[in-house]
Amino acid sequence: KQEVTQIPAALSVPEGENLVLNCSFTDSAIYNLQWFRQDPGKGLTSLLLIQSSQREQTSGRLNASLDKSSGRSTLYIAASQPGDSATYLCAVRPGVDSSYKLIFGSGTRLLVRP
Amino acid sequence: GAGVSQSPSNKVTEKGKDVELRCDPISGHTALYWYRQSLGQGLEFLIYFQGNSAPDKSGLPSDRFSAERTGGSVSTLTIQRTQQEDSAVYLCASSLDRVAEAFFGQGTRLTVV
Repeated sequence: KQEVTQIPAALSVPEGENLVLNCSFTDSAIYNLQWFRQDPGKGLTSLLLIQSSQREQTSGRLNASLDKSSGRSTLYIAASQPGDSATYLCAVRPGVDSSYKLIFGSGTRLLVRP
Repeated sequence: GAGVSQSPSNKVTEKGKDVELRCDPISGHTALYWYRQSLGQGLEFLIYFQGNSAPDKSGLPSDRFSAERTGGSVSTLTIQRTQQEDSAVYLCASSLDRVAEAFFGQGTRLTVV
């Protein structure tokens, strides 16, 4: 059974710092992995989708990497800003029958202090 | 539409009443999903639609929960005889196909009193 873990559960950093959020999954047979952010009381906003054949994806100050064989993904945020404060979730799609199903980690709650 | 739209955004209902939650997916998206997020919990898969069919309903918690999708577009999640443990945020998502990037709506916050 696929399980997704995110460490740390919470992170507080001063503005301007570069930071890394971690996501690990137990079964390396994934189809793709997606990073989301969730603001309090809101839905999920898609940040990046990385296919199993890709090593990384970039969007602005965000860079997601994927090491499928070791079951790990990282989300790198450059030059963090207070507006980056949110909960960040990663989700994987299994590589076999239920590839439609996103399996989520419990998230990392990020606070960027001005 | 520009994004996934859910209504209502908030719903307070009395225990035992039925509720309907609506989801308008992004136009052209064939795959639609419902998830539930309870306070302090992760996201729990409820049901997956491909077109109007639901190949996977395995996440529906009980037979009080049902969902349908019509015209390959709008979906309705119905909870009958609501219980306090049904209180949660219900999130809908859609994607172009079953493995494409998923886009979520803002959710419906359901409170059963």
